Amino acid sequence: DAGITQSPRYKITETGRQVTLMCHQTWSHSYMFWYRQDLGHGLRLIYYSAAADITDKGEVPDGYVVSRSKTENFPLTLESATRSQTSVYFCASSESGGGQETQYFGPGTRLLVL
Amino acid sequence: QKEVEQNSGPLSVPEGAIASLNCTYSDRGSQSFFWYRQYSGKSPELIMFIYSNGDKEDGRFTAQLNKASQYVSLLIRDSQPSDSATYLCAVNGNQFYFGTGTSLTVIP
Repeated sequence: DAGITQSPRYKITETGRQVTLMCHQTWSHSYMFWYRQDLGHGLRLIYYSAAADITDKGEVPDGYVVSRSKTENFPLTLESATRSQTSVYFCASSESGGGQETQYFGPGTRLLVL
Repeated sequence: QKEVEQNSGPLSVPEGAIASLNCTYSDRGSQSFFWYRQYSGKSPELIMFIYSNGDKEDGRFTAQLNKASQYVSLLIRDSQPSDSATYLCAVNGNQFYFGTGTSLTVIP
């Protein structure tokens, strides 16, 4: 039971490059989320998706693009990476989007933008 | 004002003591409240959730919710060194918001 996986686990890139972080879940959960975690800010929601082909912005969406062509995958793309996007990125999923649904997190991707 | 506020700590308690972690939130319409534990370098994992005013107990953990005061807390009884971690409070209103976390160290 793989659950929710993220790749790569670590990534170093340069300013201006495009980077895609992958997220895959095996539970067939409807909802998927992308967060970034930074010291002093905690976890902040970037984008979320209620189902395939349905995505919506979170608290900090600028500079990021998402897509969800299949229920199990939810890639996050940094179109032109900036140093301020250096962070730890977590993908999460939940069975539904109801207010009482628990979110389950992937292992995270540590991204360094030079 | 942040949506969810937590004391960043660090909070240190001796082994066997009760650790008390606190969280306040700003959205009065929030309906569900979660406590996650995050070990260093790892992803958050759910400890407890609570939806109704009052206390909810699960083993050594007790979550307390007071919607009138917009306050939620987590008590850890008989604290163990393995409880040393950062504890994140999360609140689900119109969106999921996390606090910045409280670092807990349990001293053997």
